[in-house]
Amino acid sequence: GENVEQHPSTLSVQEGDSAVIKCTYSDSASNYFPWYKQELGKGPQLIIDIRSNVGEKKDQRIAVTLNKTAKHFSLHITETQPEDSAVYFCAARAGSSGDKLTFGTGTRLAVRP
Amino acid sequence: NAGVMQNPRHLVRRRGQEARLRCSPMKGHSHVYWYRQLPEEGLKFMVYLQKENIIDESGMPKERFSAEFPKEGPSILRIQQVVRGDSAAYFCASSETGANYGYTFGSGTRLTVV
Repeated sequence: GENVEQHPSTLSVQEGDSAVIKCTYSDSASNYFPWYKQELGKGPQLIIDIRSNVGEKKDQRIAVTLNKTAKHFSLHITETQPEDSAVYFCAARAGSSGDKLTFGTGTRLAVRP
Repeated sequence: NAGVMQNPRHLVRRRGQEARLRCSPMKGHSHVYWYRQLPEEGLKFMVYLQKENIIDESGMPKERFSAEFPKEGPSILRIQQVVRGDSAAYFCASSETGANYGYTFGSGTRLTVV
């Protein structure tokens, strides 16, 4: 089945700096890659997603890039703010094994004011 | 739109009791997924259901765990004879046409087994 690895597990940045989180996936048939943000005590929230027919997608301060050849995708957050502090999860749709999403292990982002 | 509703938010059970976790998907969503999250860990897939059908239960433990999504009413995740290792946050998510359009997660049920 699909396997998703995510790095780093923790990330601390100064407010205003950029943050980058990277994920790799194993199933070359995967075609959908969402990113979720989870705040303490809450459920994960979808913040951005990308499909395999595009290489990059941007939404204000958040962008995601996808390299299908290398089977990795990344989340970029620019001009970080304290409210960006949360746990971020990448995920991939296991194209060869049904509709479920396989999640990475998460990155705890701390933005220092 | 009330989103994905899970209840209860917190559930405490003694070892050996049964736990029932409920999930009402977003209006118009017919796909339901259950995930388990242990403290400081990621989201582990358990089961994927559509109305009256279990599509994929490859992540469900073979014993004590069951799930259903009846024609009427919420999806239920049932854990029989709970043990301390079942303590975790259980999240339900729903989607409109399968995972290609992303999930909407509920706020989760935090199960504590004492």
